[in-house]
Amino acid sequence: DVLMTQSPLSLSVTLGQPASISCRSSESLEHSHGNTYLNWFQQRPGQSPRRLIYKVSNRDSGVPDRFSGSGSGTNFTLKISKMEAEDVGVYYCMQGTHWPTFGPGTKVNIK
Amino acid sequence: QVQLRESGPGLVKPSETLSLTCSVSGASMRDYYWSWIRQVPGKGLEWIAYKHNNGDTKYNSALQSRVTMSLDMSNSQFSLKLRTVTAADTAIYFCVRQPADTASFDYWGRGTLVIVSS
Repeated sequence: DVLMTQSPLSLSVTLGQPASISCRSSESLEHSHGNTYLNWFQQRPGQSPRRLIYKVSNRDSGVPDRFSGSGSGTNFTLKISKMEAEDVGVYYCMQGTHWPTFGPGTKVNIK
Repeated sequence: QVQLRESGPGLVKPSETLSLTCSVSGASMRDYYWSWIRQVPGKGLEWIAYKHNNGDTKYNSALQSRVTMSLDMSNSQFSLKLRTVTAADTAIYFCVRQPADTASFDYWGRGTLVIVSS
């Protein structure tokens, strides 16, 4: 199985300030036909996970443009350009190139 | 709007079989993968299984000896059976839609907590 790691595991961010989460995979996530299936999910307290980003950098409908994804191969990043109160939660990266596996999650709260 | 809803017993005895059903509304089940994912409360996410109406089925290697997933296209439902459960199977179980073109999970149910206890 592909192992996904995230750093940091916990992050305190001042409102209005940027935040960045790193995700690494134990194998390349570039599929043989060229796509890279790296996704980001947000789980707010008491809610189901919600997909924010798919295929590295594509924002889902309704996701604010302060969220952005980047990366390639085995290294990926989720960035929040300006932290808002509603962004509190746990963020998971997940790969779908191989059998699906999730990162351990990064807990984001307000400083 | 696509909606998924899990149903099933909230309490299962050790060594018995956990059975859950997911009801899908707002979209056809055809041409999508459908998955089960679980989460121990306060912990991370674990993919369990996926299945497509073309027959393509995959199970998490750690669970595959105990898991069966099926689709009921006529009733817009899919199900999960997890045999010989232990306390380690206590978790929130989510049913999820998985578009093939993104290899991801775009719609999630609210989740149902299943406790394994005698």
